[in-house]
Amino acid sequence: GDSVTQMEGPVTLSEEACLTINCTYTATGYPSLFWYVQYPGEGLQLLLKATKADDKGSNKGFEATYRKETTSFHLEKGSVQVSDSAVYFCALSDPGANSKLTFGKGITLSVRP
Amino acid sequence: DGGITQSPKYLFRKEGQNVTLSCEQNLNHDAMYWYRQDPGQGLRLIYYSQIVNDFQKGDIAEGYSVSREKKESFPLTVTSAQKNPTAFYLCASTDPTRGPQYFGPGTRLTVL
Repeated sequence: GDSVTQMEGPVTLSEEACLTINCTYTATGYPSLFWYVQYPGEGLQLLLKATKADDKGSNKGFEATYRKETTSFHLEKGSVQVSDSAVYFCALSDPGANSKLTFGKGITLSVRP
Repeated sequence: DGGITQSPKYLFRKEGQNVTLSCEQNLNHDAMYWYRQDPGQGLRLIYYSQIVNDFQKGDIAEGYSVSREKKESFPLTVTSAQKNPTAFYLCASTDPTRGPQYFGPGTRLTVL
């Protein structure tokens, strides 16, 4: 079945540091890929998405490129801020699976001033 | 404003009691979903509904029940058969073109 694997956390960075959060996936079809962010005590917010190979999703300075050859969708940001501290989830939606999302376990990012 | 609302935000219940969590959306989405989130884990799908009056079990449906009598509403009942109900519950929906899922703010259920 479908699965999403995220790098182990937590991750702690200083403000203005570069961020990369790894995400790889296994899927039978041609999934859409997503990054969601969850701030403490809140629901998930869609951060960015990509629906086909080589698409790049971007939002709020974050980027991720759909790499079919490596089955990856790594999240990157050039300069993190304290306000980026949150839990980040990688997810996929297989078109043959009724739009159900398969999530990675999430990774906690803490950015210190 | 369009969005998904869940109520209440915090819910406390005694062991052995059934409890119903509310989820309402005004996004005109056909599909709705319930997830459970436990500390340090990803989200696990409980139930989902693609259309009114129809729903399917997700990965961890045991001890839960749902109904979908209206397009806007998808309440979740946590029954006394659920062995470990204390968790954060998230409701989500998708638009008719099967875009990404959008989430509500969640309900934190604590069973005492």
